[in-house]
Amino acid sequence: ETGVTQSPTHLIKTRGQQVTLRCSSQSGHNTVSWYQQALGQGPQFIFQYYREEENGRGNFPPRFSGLQFPNYSSELNVNALELDDSALYLCASSSYFGETQYFGPGTRLLVL
Amino acid sequence: GNSVTQMEGPVTLSEEAFLTINCTYTATGYPSLFWYVQYPGEGLQLLLKATKADDKGSNKGFEATYRKETTSFHLEKGSVQVSDSAVYFCALNVIQGAQKLVFGQGTRLTINP
Repeated sequence: ETGVTQSPTHLIKTRGQQVTLRCSSQSGHNTVSWYQQALGQGPQFIFQYYREEENGRGNFPPRFSGLQFPNYSSELNVNALELDDSALYLCASSSYFGETQYFGPGTRLLVL
Repeated sequence: GNSVTQMEGPVTLSEEAFLTINCTYTATGYPSLFWYVQYPGEGLQLLLKATKADDKGSNKGFEATYRKETTSFHLEKGSVQVSDSAVYFCALNVIQGAQKLVFGQGTRLTINP
């Protein structure tokens, strides 16, 4: 059974650019959540996708957006990057709504 | 609101010492509780969980008991190893539309040989 995978592992962007991060959920999982982890902090919930629909969002501005595809993989898009967007972005999947979430290795984004 | 407070770190212990990392929570209802571990440069790994009061989660020698009366979920291990060095996160599960995890700030644990 393949776990949650994310790409790329590292990314460097400049302020104002746009970035797309990708996540493949664990086999059999249909719910994907995204979290932002700033250095030295706990992860913060960005949003969650269930059966290709966004079903909840944390305190993040609209320039953070996402998609879920029919195979349950997902993308996180961030527009107009700011320096404070530098963080580890974690994707988590679960087998059905409300179950335990399993995390991928993360994408480390640095905004210069 | 929903929140998690963890023991301030960093924590440094010698190998074979007893470990306790305190975690208390505030929540509406009765959430599931989790401990996740993050090794350097990696994502989060589920360490253990408990879904209702008085449940004990356990894995790899670590244990935590869901205490509703004290709203706590302290992590313990009887004899730590160098390989246990990592950052430990306590989290609770909130279902408000989405199902999201609310994390504590993390506790960095270093075990010296």
